[in-house]
Amino acid sequence: GAVVSQHPSWVICKSGTSVKIECRSLDFQATTMFWYRQFPKQSLMLMATSNEGSKATYEQGVEKDKFLINHASLTLSTLTVTSAHPEDSSFYICSARDRSSGTSYEQYFGPGTRLTVT
Amino acid sequence: GENVEQHPSTLSVQEGDSAVIKCTYSDSASNYFPWYKQELGKRPQLIIDIRSNVGEKKDQRIAVTLNKTAKHFSLHITETQPEDSAVYFCAAAYYGQNFVFGPGTRLSVLP
Repeated sequence: GAVVSQHPSWVICKSGTSVKIECRSLDFQATTMFWYRQFPKQSLMLMATSNEGSKATYEQGVEKDKFLINHASLTLSTLTVTSAHPEDSSFYICSARDRSSGTSYEQYFGPGTRLTVT
Repeated sequence: GENVEQHPSTLSVQEGDSAVIKCTYSDSASNYFPWYKQELGKRPQLIIDIRSNVGEKKDQRIAVTLNKTAKHFSLHITETQPEDSAVYFCAAAYYGQNFVFGPGTRLSVLP
């Protein structure tokens, strides 16, 4: 149980274009989903927290107009990187908390999406 | 905001030996401390976690200790095996939100 998927697993796009990444909770409902970015050989950095049906909360330094997050349902959140540039190339990972997890604080991570901007 | 430091950045041990990774955090409000194992290009996998009302937790070869007063927590892996080789991340969080990760420790278990 508690499986999170991401699509696509990798994507290459040209500079200036937009890319959408999907994060789905497959066997549970997620009221809260999180988006992280991980540069090579670095740690995970939280970009934003999204709650179903409301606007995402972005971490300091993350441009909300560049990284559009939509959490339209209890099982799907999307991250759109708009006007992508080479410096946006990174590993993007989502995670989700199980709505029915009670007092568990665990976040379930997706497999990540490797974005390369040329 | 929260800041998490992690040491060492790299660690090599002989198979069968123990490995210890230490993390410190800055925000005394943090109350949840998970440890993740990440293999190259893969998702982080939770290996053990501890809450602030507990001082120690063990799961087979893996244990975590927490010192709230000093604001540090440690991961202990005993009887290491080659498959334990990976990058390990600690994190500090407040009620499962706002995970702040440490910079990671690359563990190599030499056969």
